[in-house]
Amino acid sequence: GAVVSQHPSWVICKSGTSVKIECRSLDFQATTMFWYRQFPKQSLMLMATSNEGSKATYEQGVEKDKFLINHASLTLSTLTVTSAHPEDSSFYICSAPGTGGILYGYTFGSGTRLTVV
Amino acid sequence: GENVEQHPSTLSVQEGDSAVIKCTYSDSASNYFPWYKQELGKGPQLIIDIRSNVGEKKDQRIAVTLNKTAKHFSLHITETQPEDSAVYFCAALLLTGFQKLVFGTGTRLLVSP
Repeated sequence: GAVVSQHPSWVICKSGTSVKIECRSLDFQATTMFWYRQFPKQSLMLMATSNEGSKATYEQGVEKDKFLINHASLTLSTLTVTSAHPEDSSFYICSAPGTGGILYGYTFGSGTRLTVV
Repeated sequence: GENVEQHPSTLSVQEGDSAVIKCTYSDSASNYFPWYKQELGKGPQLIIDIRSNVGEKKDQRIAVTLNKTAKHFSLHITETQPEDSAVYFCAALLLTGFQKLVFGTGTRLLVSP
């Protein structure tokens, strides 16, 4: 089945630094990648949608200059948290529609636990 | 926009019992309803899904029912096992604008031996 590989699985960084999270579709082409943020004991909240070869679409309230998304190829999408602060500490998860399109299921990455100290 | 409500927030059952989790959605145009299981520190895993042209779907111990008129869908787990303990999320596909999944608030299921 479709697999989305997400790295790193966890990262600790200092306040003010930037962190890049990568998601790769291993056995299919992901023209779209969804990025979610999940705080402890809460649901997944969509942050942005990236589309290969075009600008990402950000949800209301998500700072596009802080959460930089790049979807440079059909198999790689990245999320960079710039100038990270402790309040950015969260679990970040990517997801892509599987082969056949959106109505054929979404595959999620394994998530990245970001801790900003 | 779409809103998905999920109940209960926590559910404790004895091993072997059945568990039922219910969700309601607001956008009548939604036509895809997946259920995900999330274990601690991991990404969600799809366990079953249903499309709006089907009223029920079953996969071994797991089943999902959909009532389009009432705009609600439910997850049924029979013969629960301790390894079923996890957080379960329902979701609905929002078709207006950019297609995106909207998640329920999650149900923490605890199956006691």
